[in-house]
Amino acid sequence: GAVVSQHPSWVICKSGTSVKIECRSLDFQATTMFWYRQFPKQSLMLMATSNEGSKATYEQGVEKDKFLINHASLTLSTLTVTSAHPEDSSFYICSARDQGLAKNIQYFGAGTRLSVL
Amino acid sequence: AQSVTQLDSQVPVFEEAPVELRCNYSSSVSVYLFWYVQYPNQGLQLLLKYLSGSTLVKGINGFEAEFNKSQTSFHLRKPSVHISDTAEYFCAVSGRGGGADGLTFGKGTHLIIQP
Repeated sequence: GAVVSQHPSWVICKSGTSVKIECRSLDFQATTMFWYRQFPKQSLMLMATSNEGSKATYEQGVEKDKFLINHASLTLSTLTVTSAHPEDSSFYICSARDQGLAKNIQYFGAGTRLSVL
Repeated sequence: AQSVTQLDSQVPVFEEAPVELRCNYSSSVSVYLFWYVQYPNQGLQLLLKYLSGSTLVKGINGFEAEFNKSQTSFHLRKPSVHISDTAEYFCAVSGRGGGADGLTFGKGTHLIIQP
């Protein structure tokens, strides 16, 4: 089946620093990837849609300058949390949409737990 | 816009008993429906999906779900649960916009299997 790799799985950083999270589709191409955020014991909230070769589409209320998304290739999207603060601590999960027959299905990475001190 | 309601935040069930996790949705457009499972500190794994065709869909690990358009429901069922089924279960919908839509998730149901 389709595999999405997300790295790192856990990161701890100091307040004010930036953190980059990578999302890779390992055995399929994905022109569209999605970034979600999950607070403890809550559901996933869509943050943005990452489009290969173009600007990301952000959901209402998500700061574009805080959460920078780059989708430079058909297999890689990155999310950079800039000038991170403790309130940015969360579980970030990416997903990728298969361009092939299963184009309506999203495959999820294992998530990145971000802790900002 | 879509919304998903999972009425039960937590469902305790004895091992080998049947279980039903409820999911209702609302949408102004036709949708695709999904159930995902999340184990602690992990990402989401697709259990099953409804895209079109038969309203009864079968997924992995013995789960199945039935799409009921008139009741806007997509309840998840398993005839006999196992300890390993303990996890968080999310119902999700997306618009039929060629797959370019992100998913809208319910708040999740924590399935607790008791020995």
